[in-house]
Amino acid sequence: DAGITQSPRHKVTETGTPVTLRCHQTENHRYMYWYRQDPGHGLRLIHYSYGVKDTDKGEVSDGYSVSRSKTEDFLLTLESATSSQTSVYFCAASRGGTNEKLFFGSGTQLSVL
Amino acid sequence: RKEVEQDPGPFNVPEGATVAFNCTYSNSASQSFFWYRQDCRKEPKLLMSVYSSGNEDGRFTAQLNRASQYISLLIRDSKLSDSATYLCVVRLDTGKLIFGQGTTLQVKP
Repeated sequence: DAGITQSPRHKVTETGTPVTLRCHQTENHRYMYWYRQDPGHGLRLIHYSYGVKDTDKGEVSDGYSVSRSKTEDFLLTLESATSSQTSVYFCAASRGGTNEKLFFGSGTQLSVL
Repeated sequence: RKEVEQDPGPFNVPEGATVAFNCTYSNSASQSFFWYRQDCRKEPKLLMSVYSSGNEDGRFTAQLNRASQYISLLIRDSKLSDSATYLCVVRLDTGKLIFGQGTTLQVKP
């Protein structure tokens, strides 16, 4: 929907390995977001970006880093994955106006064993 | 305390019922407000924005009370297809978008 693509869609990895999730958008949205969703917690903001090279922390940023070197790509990196980072990860983007809607990717199911 | 709080439910209602959800937010820098709908862990989709004067979209009515820092969603004449999780979302002036944990609605025949 609205050109938001997440990759990979599914990933299984081992504790201690680095993992990078990619979010790609084709609509020149200014803002991009990474959320994780776990039972009983809804969507929790990990990091967000308000422009190229401009990022800020969300509610649950520990253990995660992000980079945005181009408008269209927002990368989420788990430097050393832990089992507590097993989750569904959603990327979203918006133009950034006051009432601009969020466009979501389809999600990435990450399992850390 | 969470920045955006919702009663997780579940709310179990019969078809045709009217149901209301509330959401409270704590950050006074909250700028705009939304309700999103999520089905079966798929990506959330915008249901409606919430305006200060209140707004309606068919069977759905949203209200905002800035003084008390809460927003509400009213669903009239519930349909089976309304069964979903409803997410309250607040946008801060920094552009940060915070979600509540969601309220689960189950409409039964």
